Amino acid sequence: QQQVKQSPQSLIVQKGGISIINCAYENTAFDYFPWYQQFPGKGPALLIAIRPDVSEKKEGRFTISFNKSAKQFSLHIMDSQPGDSATYFCAAISRGNTPLVFGKGTRLSVIA
Amino acid sequence: AAGVIQSPRHLIKEKRETATLKCYPIPRHDTVYWYQQGPGQDPQFLISFYEKMQSDKGSIPDRFSAQQFSDYHSELNMSSLELGDSALYFCASSFQEETQYFGPGTRLLVL
Repeated sequence: QQQVKQSPQSLIVQKGGISIINCAYENTAFDYFPWYQQFPGKGPALLIAIRPDVSEKKEGRFTISFNKSAKQFSLHIMDSQPGDSATYFCAAISRGNTPLVFGKGTRLSVIA
Repeated sequence: AAGVIQSPRHLIKEKRETATLKCYPIPRHDTVYWYQQGPGQDPQFLISFYEKMQSDKGSIPDRFSAQQFSDYHSELNMSSLELGDSALYFCASSFQEETQYFGPGTRLLVL
């Protein structure tokens, strides 16, 4: 059973548009929600992360929105650029030195 | 800033051979995690170490073992390799329950 559900599986966005990726979780023990960006053949790179006591976090063009009651969170990429074309993974982790639980990933293509 | 170092970056082995992957965490990081990522898949957790002791175990086959040494580097030992072990293997490190930072990975191909 997938503990973190991510959608869509793939996304095509025009340059300058907004990319939106959604994730949902069931385990209320999760208390840290990072997003990772991965280019082909490279390691996942931390993009932005949020804790459940915050409803929104913005870093540059990237914003996480968090809905604790619905157990959902999303990544918004504003002014999407071709260089943003990559696979994006949402993840969740419980307190302690515990492993990340990843969503299935979203392959984003930004076209000019 | 220093990042996680993994070696080798690429490895080609025959079936039933043995492989050793190495991971050097970011300095001062006390926890190391190993993940396996198949083509088009999300990373799957294998095993982790905190202060040189195994802290969590995921879907790691019995043919695999790992350890963390006194200098905090970690090694993943894989024996009796199978075709299905072909994947990207990532090491990540963290400090005191904070964000996990991933290395560049080792691409293992089993022929």
